[in-house]
Amino acid sequence: GAVVSQHPSRVICKSGTSVKIECRSLDFQATTMFWYRQFPKQSLMLMATSNEGSKATYEQGVEKDKFLINHASLTLSTLTVTSAHPEDSSFYICSAEQGAIRTDTQYFGPGTRLTVL
Amino acid sequence: QKEVEQNSGPLSVPEGAIASLNCTYSDRVSQSFFWYRQYSGKSPELIMSIYSNGDKEDGRFTAQLNKASQYVSLLIRDSQPSDSATYLCAVSLGNDMRFGAGTRLTVKP
Repeated sequence: GAVVSQHPSRVICKSGTSVKIECRSLDFQATTMFWYRQFPKQSLMLMATSNEGSKATYEQGVEKDKFLINHASLTLSTLTVTSAHPEDSSFYICSAEQGAIRTDTQYFGPGTRLTVL
Repeated sequence: QKEVEQNSGPLSVPEGAIASLNCTYSDRVSQSFFWYRQYSGKSPELIMSIYSNGDKEDGRFTAQLNKASQYVSLLIRDSQPSDSATYLCAVSLGNDMRFGAGTRLTVKP
């Protein structure tokens, strides 16, 4: 149980284009999902918390107009990187929280490696 | 002071030895503690969760929590080369979870 999928696993795009990444909880409902970014040899950086049916909460320094998050159902959250630039190249990982309590266990998706040319 | 601190390593142990990974956290009200393993190029996978003081064992892994000292550790017994990875400590702070920078473990055959 507690499987989280992400799609696509890898994407290469041209500078200025937009990229959508999907995060799905396959065998449980996730009221809350999280989006992280990880640069090489660095730790996870929380970008935003995605709540089903409401606006996402962004961490300080993360541009909400650039990283659009939609959490339309209890099993799907999407992250759209708009007008991507080479500095947005990174490993994007989502996680989903199982359980009704906000600080319950997070299960991670396999990640999406974004390369912006 | 960082919210969650880990020794970045690298920590190197011989195969069969016990690997000890440590983590300290700054917020006394933290309630939930987790250890994740992350292989290079992959996303983190949950190894252990611990919520109360003391030890919790799962196979070769033992998590230890001491809330008074704000300290959580992970012991890996009979370390295997396949245990070589970065281990992330995660601590719930209020409504959010914060991750340490990770400790890189290398188990040498």
